[in-house]
Amino acid sequence: GAGVSQSPRYKVAKRGQDVALRCDPISGHVSLFWYQQALGQGPEFLTYFQNEAQLDKSGLPSDRFFAERPEGSVSTLKIQRTQQEDSAVYLCASSPPSVSPNTEAFFGQGTRLTVV
Amino acid sequence: DQQVKQNSPSLSVQEGRISILNCDYTNSMFDYFLWYKKYPAEGPTFLISISSIKDKNEDGRFTVFLNKSAKHLSLHIVPSQPGDSAVYFCAASDGGGADGLTFGKGTHLIIQP
Repeated sequence: GAGVSQSPRYKVAKRGQDVALRCDPISGHVSLFWYQQALGQGPEFLTYFQNEAQLDKSGLPSDRFFAERPEGSVSTLKIQRTQQEDSAVYLCASSPPSVSPNTEAFFGQGTRLTVV
Repeated sequence: DQQVKQNSPSLSVQEGRISILNCDYTNSMFDYFLWYKKYPAEGPTFLISISSIKDKNEDGRFTVFLNKSAKHLSLHIVPSQPGDSAVYFCAASDGGGADGLTFGKGTHLIIQP
């Protein structure tokens, strides 16, 4: 497909379980972002990659959250020892290289994580 | 502390009329503003943006106005159509758009026939 693809669409995890969420960005997109969207809230920034380099991880809420993009394309967000407060929709977005600094990001459909 | 605020959780507008969605921000370093539209079970889709050097940007039925002194922007949709019913997020960036965005909580726009 031509858009950002995320899998799985839905994930139910028992508290304490580790989860891995996958993002396939649009081909050729250099920048990749992860956001967390809690119910009734706007998306909140988690981390940002430029190619394989993680340039900003200031939004990761704890050291249980880890993201990687080893080859500069597909990215994985891993959450260890999930807690109930981790329940949210996790959105991935990518944006192309651009000579203009102002480039909108294209979002995937998100992964809805429910921790029970 | 919310840096981007959308104070109206919902807005109901009659089809054919103008919809005005408002957004306020507190961070004076923001230099690029975007509006995203979101349908249920889908990711946000980009709608329109504006740089801080401008005060207006228009794209078809959608116009965004920026008032830097008031730290306020608004999205105007005219005429409103049933397909415009969605949640609208205001977002801002202080890195020219290439860095992470700061989003508001969203406004649910309902277009009534």
